[in-house]
Amino acid sequence: EIVLTQSPATLSLFPGERATLSCRASQSVSRYLAWYQQKPGQVPRLLIYDTSNRATGIPARFSGSGSGTDFTLTISSLEPEDFAVYYCQQRSNWLTFGGGTKVEI
Amino acid sequence: QVHLVESGGGLVKPGGSLRLSCAAFGFTFSDYYMSWIRQAPGKGLEPVAYISGSSRYRSYADSVRGRFTISRDNARNSVFLQMNSLSADDTSVYYCVKDIAVGSLGAFDSWGQGTLVTVSS
Repeated sequence: EIVLTQSPATLSLFPGERATLSCRASQSVSRYLAWYQQKPGQVPRLLIYDTSNRATGIPARFSGSGSGTDFTLTISSLEPEDFAVYYCQQRSNWLTFGGGTKVEI
Repeated sequence: QVHLVESGGGLVKPGGSLRLSCAAFGFTFSDYYMSWIRQAPGKGLEPVAYISGSSRYRSYADSVRGRFTISRDNARNSVFLQMNSLSADDTSVYYCVKDIAVGSLGAFDSWGQGTLVTVSS
């Protein structure tokens, strides 16, 4: 099973700041890496798929990069509604999710 | 507009069974892989099972293989999860999810609201 390790566990930032979230895979997942956002009491929302493709309706401030085992989700300038938990997910071998990064004020 | 509606959750005793259903609307159901993802209270996301559009391909998490069965009925635009031999570790919200791309498994662009399964005596 491919293990995804997200860091940091918690990221404390202010609105307007840049957020950089990391996801590291225990073995290569090629570019088959997605990112989701989940707010309290809400369903997860797909942000990015296949490393860098934004899902429909996702603002341009969200971007993804990486390949192989190291991936990054960048939020260029945090909006108040971006404070949430973010999960990465791979589809290279079965399916697995990372443990999540909480972005808080 | 894509819409997924789960049903069938509830309280069940350890060792019991439950069948979850998910009704799909707004897309050509038979073209897409469908999956079940679960989330224990206060925890992260765990894939449970997936099924291809034709039902040819199915796969399960190690934690549920042999106890859970995923199936679908394309005529009724529905996917199901039969859960047997349930334990407290299966207590979670179960989400029905649709893949973003036709004919492939990868990323989940549509999620149901979830149905809560509680396993307790």
